[in-house]
Amino acid sequence: AQSVSQHNHHVILSEAASLELGCNYSYGGTVNLFWYVQYPGQHLQLLLKYFSGDPLVKGIKGFEAEFIKSKFSFNLRKPSVQWSDTAEYFCAVTVMEYGNKLVFGAGTILRVKS
Amino acid sequence: ETGVTQSPTHLIKTRGQQVTLRCSSQSGHNTVSWYQQALGQGPQFIFQYYREEENGRGNFPPRFSGLQFPNYSSELNVNALELDDSALYLCASSIIRDPSYEQYFGPGTRLTVT
Repeated sequence: AQSVSQHNHHVILSEAASLELGCNYSYGGTVNLFWYVQYPGQHLQLLLKYFSGDPLVKGIKGFEAEFIKSKFSFNLRKPSVQWSDTAEYFCAVTVMEYGNKLVFGAGTILRVKS
Repeated sequence: ETGVTQSPTHLIKTRGQQVTLRCSSQSGHNTVSWYQQALGQGPQFIFQYYREEENGRGNFPPRFSGLQFPNYSSELNVNALELDDSALYLCASSIIRDPSYEQYFGPGTRLTVT
């Protein structure tokens, strides 16, 4: 079965610090990769996605992620975080053979100190 | 365009009871998926409906069932509630033939089983 691992459950950063959240998945076939974000009191929103092409994808609010197929990884990055980035971040994968069923990681809670 | 809506927002039930949760898909979307998000975990896929038929199911027992209506609204029914069913239930809509397989999430229904 497919699974997604997120390396850290809680991350605390100061404003302007750089962010990298790790994500690894366990499926050898064709995958689509996603990062979703859940701001306090809001619903899950898509941050960025990878389907094919350039392995470095850019999303909203200055976030980017790099797909490294050989490492089964899809890490999320942002050069300089803001207080408003405080949220929970979920990495997720869909496997082409299984349609668009999303398999999520456990999530990483990011708190940015102002 | 209207987003995905869910009702009710919160619900408290007693063990052994039955519950029905409702979802209205985003305009133009014909596929709806349901996810269960337990505290501290990522969402887990329950099942998906496309054109009023179940189109994939996760590792949930048969007491979890669903319906999709011609107007693409959907219901999640849970019979014989157990304490472990306490969770946030998320509905997501998508266009199944969209190769991006992006899903749009509703705000969720918080179910508490006592």
